[in-house]
Amino acid sequence: AQSVTQLGSHVSVSEGALVLLRCNYSSSVPPYLFWYVQYPNQGLQLLLKYTSAATLVKGINGFEAEFKKSETSFHLTKPSAHMSDAAEYFCAVSDKVRGNKLVFGAGTILRVKS
Amino acid sequence: ETGVTQSPTHLIKTRGQQVTLRCSSQSGHNTVSWYQQALGQGPQFIFQYYREEENGRGNFPPRFSGLQFPNYSSELNVNALELDDSALYLCASSGVADTDTQYFGPGTRLTVL
Repeated sequence: AQSVTQLGSHVSVSEGALVLLRCNYSSSVPPYLFWYVQYPNQGLQLLLKYTSAATLVKGINGFEAEFKKSETSFHLTKPSAHMSDAAEYFCAVSDKVRGNKLVFGAGTILRVKS
Repeated sequence: ETGVTQSPTHLIKTRGQQVTLRCSSQSGHNTVSWYQQALGQGPQFIFQYYREEENGRGNFPPRFSGLQFPNYSSELNVNALELDDSALYLCASSGVADTDTQYFGPGTRLTVL
């Protein structure tokens, strides 16, 4: 079965610093991978997705992620953090065994310090 | 283009009651999925509907049931509410052009007392 592990439930960076949020996946088939962001008391917003095309995926708000099959990783990065990036980030893998559900990690809360 | 909408925004029920949550899918989307997000956790898949038929179900008991209507909107019904049902319930839709990408609504916050 597909699964996702997000390393670090909380990450704190200074404004302007590199953001790195880690995600490792387990999948019995070539995976489709997603990063979503959730602001307080809101739903999930799609940041970016990997669907077996280019391994480096660019998303919204300056975020990007690199698919590394050898490491089963899909880490999310942003070169320079903004205060507005403070939110919770979820990595997810698509499970198509029955239907097309998303299996989410536990989430990483990003704090940006001024 | 209208995104995914959900109603109500918040809901308070007591243990043993029944609740119905509603979702309107994004324009052009024919598949709706429901997720439960407990406090401090990632969303958990409840079930998915495609063309008015259930198309996959997660590890939730039968008291969680759903419907999809001809206009692709959907309902989630929960009977015999338990305290642990308190959570944010998220609806997501996906379309024919891109079946793999799900777009989420703002959620319904359910509190069971």
